[in-house]
Amino acid sequence: GQQVQQSPASLVLQEGENAELQCNFSSTATQLQWFYQRPGGSLVSLLYNPSGTKHTGRLTSTTVTKERRSSLHISSSQITDSGTYFCAMEPDSGGSNYKLTFGKGTLLTVTP
Amino acid sequence: DAGVTQTPRHEVAEKGQTIILKCEPVSGHNDLFWYRQTKIQGLELLSYFRSKSLMEDGGAFKDRFKAEMLNSSFSTLKIQPTEPKDSAVYLCASRRTGGAREQYFGPGTRLTVL
Repeated sequence: GQQVQQSPASLVLQEGENAELQCNFSSTATQLQWFYQRPGGSLVSLLYNPSGTKHTGRLTSTTVTKERRSSLHISSSQITDSGTYFCAMEPDSGGSNYKLTFGKGTLLTVTP
Repeated sequence: DAGVTQTPRHEVAEKGQTIILKCEPVSGHNDLFWYRQTKIQGLELLSYFRSKSLMEDGGAFKDRFKAEMLNSSFSTLKIQPTEPKDSAVYLCASRRTGGAREQYFGPGTRLTVL
C-alpha cells in the first residue's frame, strides 16, 4: 500500500530556532497536505501544497512531486508551535484517488 | 462559515453498548470522511462518502462499524457492539469534491469503552 515516511520522528528546539520537517512518499501524489495537532486536539490544516512552494506566516512548504517528497519549514519557532506535525498525501492512482494516507508524524517540542 | 462539528466530544460506554457519533460537514462540502486515531495505529480511514454515496466502507471495520449520511449536512457513525479496543479518537473531515481538495477536520470524539 501507499506509504508516507516522516522524519525526524521527534525534534527538540529552543525558542527562536528553525525547524525542517521532511515527508517522503512511495508514489506520485496528487494532493499533499500538512496538518498540526496539539496533544488532545484535532487536526488543523496548515498548508495544502501538492506541488511547488507555499507560504503562510512562519511556515513554508516545498513539494517536489517528481522526487516524491515534501518539506515543512518553521522559522523562528515558538513554544506554542509544540505538537505533532503530520504529512498526508493522496496518490495519483486513477479512479481511487480519494484516500489520504498519513505519516506517523513529527513530534516537535520547543523549549524556552 | 462554520467548520466541521462533531458531537459528543467525549463518550464513555460499557462493553457491548451501541454508540452513535455525529458529524456535520462544512457547508457546501460533498466529501465526508470518518477516521479513527490511536497512538499505535495512527490515523485510519473508516468510511468515505461522496455526495451522500458510500465510496469506502472501511474494510476491516465493516463488522461493527456503520457510517451513514442521512443528508448532505449530517452523518453518523454507529459502533455496535462496542469493545474496549474501540477506545480512540474518532475524527470527521470534509472537503469539496473538485478543485483544491483540502480536508478540514472536526474536533473529534474521544471514545472510552470500559
